[in-house]
Amino acid sequence: GQQLNQSPQSMFIQEGEDVSMNCTSSSIFNTWLWYKQDPGEGPVLLIALYKAGELTSNGRLTAQFGITRKDSFLNISASIPSDVGIYFCARRGDFGNEKLTFGTGTRLTIIP
Amino acid sequence: GAGVSQTPSNKVTEKGKYVELRCDPISGHTALYWYRQSLGQGPEFLIYFQGTGAADDSGLPNDRFFAVRPEGSVSTLKIQRTERGDSAVYLCASSPGPGIGTDTQYFGPGTRLTVL
Repeated sequence: GQQLNQSPQSMFIQEGEDVSMNCTSSSIFNTWLWYKQDPGEGPVLLIALYKAGELTSNGRLTAQFGITRKDSFLNISASIPSDVGIYFCARRGDFGNEKLTFGTGTRLTIIP
Repeated sequence: GAGVSQTPSNKVTEKGKYVELRCDPISGHTALYWYRQSLGQGPEFLIYFQGTGAADDSGLPNDRFFAVRPEGSVSTLKIQRTERGDSAVYLCASSPGPGIGTDTQYFGPGTRLTVL
């Protein structure tokens, strides 16, 4: 079953607003990954984090690997319509078998 | 170049039937993964191939599920005696292989399986 808890489960925002979502785990991770999934598509990698405390940006997206290595957050600034979708955090398995374990997802909806 | 492709995009079958789902990975990618995504959930790992061999099949729910990758490229996920609970989106992902860069997994669009 799922080991990663994401919050919130869903978000309804207006275009232009900033968004923040997070992911927590009961166990320590060596990597945190953030994916976005559009309807009818597979997940697409947004940001990868490899070190505790690491803060990484990708355009309007910023993600941080928590110091305790048990959590991560993803921020989206100045949201636009194409940001709509489901955001998943994920951990990657160890070297040699890098299967992914996904969180429960945060569904982002932009209200016109 | 082409991404990961999966066929069919949709499959409707009756309970008890046999189905095959196909995945064409990105050319040159040695690692291939199958995941299953139920409605409202994140993808869950099923099986991992490194080359032709199944390196980890611990995610397969039971012996009705089987997957092959005979030539180290295309993979087929096979489900026997389908049950209504097998209804989900089946996702395939490929990556260059362990130890190569950050080994990002690239996902296909999935096959939506509906068992009536």
